[in-house]
Amino acid sequence: DAKTTQPNSMESNEEEPVHLPCNHSTISGTDYIHWYRQLPSQGPEYVIHGLTSNVNNRMASLAIAEDRKSSTLILHRATLRDAAVYYCILRVYTGNQFYFGTGTSLTVIP
Amino acid sequence: NAGVTQTPKFQVLKTGQSMTLQCAQDMNHNSMYWYRQDPGMGLRLIYYSASEGTTDKGEVPNGYNVSRLNKREFSLRLESAAPSQTSVYFCASSEGGGRGYGYTFGSGTRLTVV
Repeated sequence: DAKTTQPNSMESNEEEPVHLPCNHSTISGTDYIHWYRQLPSQGPEYVIHGLTSNVNNRMASLAIAEDRKSSTLILHRATLRDAAVYYCILRVYTGNQFYFGTGTSLTVIP
Repeated sequence: NAGVTQTPKFQVLKTGQSMTLQCAQDMNHNSMYWYRQDPGMGLRLIYYSASEGTTDKGEVPNGYNVSRLNKREFSLRLESAAPSQTSVYFCASSEGGGRGYGYTFGSGTRLTVV
């Protein structure tokens, strides 16, 4: 299974941008980078995904390093509702499933 | 609202009892998945179904069976529940098995085996 490395926890002040890093040094050229988040007592929620280029949607932006060995999820203005565990996942060519790690627990401080 | 519906939301079983967790999606997705999540851990894949009529084992399939009843429904069965199967179970679906497709998850079933 393809591995990703994320910090266990991060804090951010409300209304400020948050940059959540992820390392995936073993990524192959065909692996997509996906981000999900899980709010307390809920199922994971899709946030964003990309392959090579940076991606933006209404929830967040995904910045992918040129060598693709790392990526950063950017929340432009953190709100209290963004407090969750954020998972960075590689979707590999040979598999039809995601392998979740333990993710980054984001705390948003009012 | 469109999405993935799981039933029941909570269940307590005695060791050795059997039960089936139900999952249905109304998004016309081809692929469906069952994950379990234990405290302090990420999700681990139990079984998945790439399309109607097919099922495959994931990381932790022992003690479970699945049925892809039709395109909408994918059930998970515990034949003889054990305390080690105490967990939160999530069902998910995706439009396809391709690497660009995201998942939609249900809200989970919290199972306790005593």
